[in-house]
Amino acid sequence: DAGVTQSPTHLIKTRGQQVTLRCSPKSGHDTVSWYQQALGQGPQFIFQYYEEEERQRGNFPDRFSGHQFPNYSSELNVNALLLGDSALYLCASSLFTYEQYFGPGTRLTVT
Amino acid sequence: TQLLEQSPQFLSIQEGENLTVYCNSSSVFSSLQWYRQEPGEGPVLLVTVVTGGEVKKLKRLTFQFGDARKDSSLHITAAQPGDTGLYLCAGEGNAGGTSYGKLTFGQGTILTVHP
Repeated sequence: DAGVTQSPTHLIKTRGQQVTLRCSPKSGHDTVSWYQQALGQGPQFIFQYYEEEERQRGNFPDRFSGHQFPNYSSELNVNALLLGDSALYLCASSLFTYEQYFGPGTRLTVT
Repeated sequence: TQLLEQSPQFLSIQEGENLTVYCNSSSVFSSLQWYRQEPGEGPVLLVTVVTGGEVKKLKRLTFQFGDARKDSSLHITAAQPGDTGLYLCAGEGNAGGTSYGKLTFGQGTILTVHP
């Protein structure tokens, strides 16, 4: 049973560029949540997708957007990258709102 | 805004010692989850507590949810070097049911167990 997978593993971008991160949920899960984890901090909730709709959103600017596909996989898009966007981006999947299982993350470095 | 205060931030102990990590908030959560995270990896779910006053045991780890569902603790008995890692608590939802599915994380406790 495959767990949550994320791609790419690492990414280096320049300020002002745009980036797309991808996530495939654990088999049987229908909800995907995205989190940003800065070094030495706990993860911060970005948003959650269920039935291809954004259901919950944290305190992140509109530069952060997402999408969920009919197969429940999801993308996180960040536009106009800032140095402060450098972080580990985590995807978590769950069956509706219950226990969330995390992927290995994508390490984004903005230079 | 819901906040979770986790303490201590750092814990360095010898193998065989006991330890407790605390997670406190002024907000009520629907449930509370504990995770362990290794460097460069995603958090791994250890346990979910749902009912106020609930106690769950996972081998040498004991988790407790406060009666008012605002706080939680993780107690490790006879710590081993393999327990080394970042421990995170995360509260889900709120009393009003308006933020279900959203996890609010504490800052984490970095545990180092020396052989």
